Amino acid sequence: QSVLTQPPSVSGAPGQRVTISCTGSSSNIGAGYDVNWYQHLPGAVPKLLIYGNSNRPSGVPDRFSGSKSGTSASLAITGLQAEDEADYYCQSYDSSLSGWVFGVGTKLTVL
Amino acid sequence: EVQLLESGGGLVQPGGSLRLSCAASGFTFSSYGMSWVRQAPGKGLEWVSAISGSGTGTYYSDSVKGRFTISRDNSKNALYLQMNSLRAEDTAVYYCAQAWELNWFDPWGQGTLVTVSS
Repeated sequence: QSVLTQPPSVSGAPGQRVTISCTGSSSNIGAGYDVNWYQHLPGAVPKLLIYGNSNRPSGVPDRFSGSKSGTSASLAITGLQAEDEADYYCQSYDSSLSGWVFGVGTKLTVL
Repeated sequence: EVQLLESGGGLVQPGGSLRLSCAASGFTFSSYGMSWVRQAPGKGLEWVSAISGSGTGTYYSDSVKGRFTISRDNSKNALYLQMNSLRAEDTAVYYCAQAWELNWFDPWGQGTLVTVSS
């Protein structure tokens, strides 16, 4: 059980837009700690997708965007493509746990 | 190009010990924090431990505190995780990752599998 809550699954058709939520509390996201997002493709290594709430590393398409408000954050993916099918994780720091935390992960299915 | 290469995984009995290593290249190793993250079979990512660039700051998740020790040798560009008193629930793929500003993790190594079983 993680302190960062994500929906277990989301789905969308090619070309559509989907969002993945990440809900925390006053000891992590609400305390002002950054939210970062990772994409974990089947059989691959986790890849940083968004850092510092809304920044994209070089090489990440602008179809991916992140936002944060209050105790929650969101990852939006527009123009959904088959290769986006993966597990997505949010990550932050928790002051109560004195450590870094990952969300439980969300499986994205492209219909 | 940054490269991280883990080694040291394997099969170990409950209560046993194992030492993981992560060889780093392509960046000024001593300038960056490093972290270990694991993924148990069928489960999500779990942060395990982190260490500052100098090695003076070490951090652990509650699930491994007192059993695991993170360390680094900046002269060898190497990160380590000494795992003692291993339990079945420690079975996972262990990834090392570069920890930017001890905030986000990028990139990740290819991982090494640790199996704790009798």
